[in-house]
This record gives sequence, C-alpha cells and structure tokens, in this order.
Amino acid sequence: RKEVEQDPGPFNVPEGATVAFNCTYSNSASQSFFWYRQDCRKEPKLLMSVYSSGNEDGRFTAQLNRASQYISLLIRDSKLSDSATYLCVVSDRSNDYKLSFGAGTTVTVRA
Amino acid sequence: GAVVSQHPSRVICKSGTSVKIECRSLDFQATTMFWYRQFPKKSLMLMATSNEGSKATYEQGVEKDKFLINHASLTLSTLTVTSAHPEDSSFYICSARVTGSSGNTIYFGEGSWLTVV
Repeated sequence: RKEVEQDPGPFNVPEGATVAFNCTYSNSASQSFFWYRQDCRKEPKLLMSVYSSGNEDGRFTAQLNRASQYISLLIRDSKLSDSATYLCVVSDRSNDYKLSFGAGTTVTVRA
Repeated sequence: GAVVSQHPSRVICKSGTSVKIECRSLDFQATTMFWYRQFPKKSLMLMATSNEGSKATYEQGVEKDKFLINHASLTLSTLTVTSAHPEDSSFYICSARVTGSSGNTIYFGEGSWLTVV
C-alpha cells in the first residue's frame, strides 16, 4: 500500500467552479501535512500547510481528518491559473521530517 | 528568487557517462538536503538524505554506488549519477529544510531534467 494516495483526476472544471479532492495516508504517526502545487515540468511549490483545525488561505481550504487519515483541499472560484497538479505531502517528524508524496491530482480549469 | 538553486536544469548525456547535479542553498545553511526522483506522472520518490559532513542515507532500493551524494559544505550538495543509462532519465529534485520560529519549511530546487541517450 502506498504511503500517500490521491485520486489522479483529472478534474476538469469551468472557471468559477469549486473543486475538491482528498488524499489518504497510511502512517498514523504522520504529524505534518501539506499541499504542494506542481506545474508541468517544474518543481513543487508549497501551497499551504494543513492544520488540525483546518485552515484557509484565500480561495483554498484544507482539512485534516486524523481519525480517517485523510486530508482534503477545496478550491473556490477556480481560476485558469489554478490548473496544475496538486501534491499531497505528509511528513513524519520522528523520521527526520522525510516527506512522502502522493502522485498528485491534476486540476484543469477551463474558460 | 529561489531559496534553493539547482544546476543544471537540463542535461543530456551519453549512456555510460557520469553526470553531476548541484543543489545550493541560498542565504541559509542547510545541514540536511534531500534528493528526489520523479518519473512522468508519478510521485516524487525520495532517493537519499544528504547530511553535511557525513555519509548520505539512502532509501531502500537506491544504489549508493550509482548515485553518489556529497554534502561537503552547508550550502552545497551534489548528486552524481554514475554510468548513466537511459532508464536513469528522469526529473531529479533536491530540497532543503529550513528551521524557523514557525517550524520547518521545505524548499525545493528548480529540478534537473536528465536525459540519457
């Protein structure tokens, strides 16, 4: 079983739509959670950290469910520039903060 | 600008030759850097943890004699792919951890596309 699993998508949505997707992780000792964005053939860039109580950053909302071991990302009012692959990343502090990556969820926002 | 700089961004080499990729932390010291490999439409896979002044820690299945890692200073780690073969063609990315008041932040280099012909 993969450490981090994501629905690969793609999620094709019109501009202005809301899109949401989840990621599950297998290591119950995981302590830090992130969403990264990766554009085609580029390096991943941190989108936001995910906190236990859930958090928002503009149009982006992240949630963490420790009991079910999943995190989610919701994008409101989608923009064309939101088209990218979103990587779910989990870190185990006890393992020297090694990051485990999901394979990514592709989102395409169309005009 | 980039907090972590990686070079070269693209390299093409002949099968059997060796290629060195550099990862530099800019404006901060990185005692630990990480090297990843990503195949098309796949997740980033951690290859090794590079520790300044000591041997790298390799993940299971990664050949340490093939992927040589040197972390000779607090701002530079290098990955050398020795005797490269076409199956080594991939996107290689380094990252460095910065510890601050708000916790740990991981910064990635821009990545290096390796094509072995």
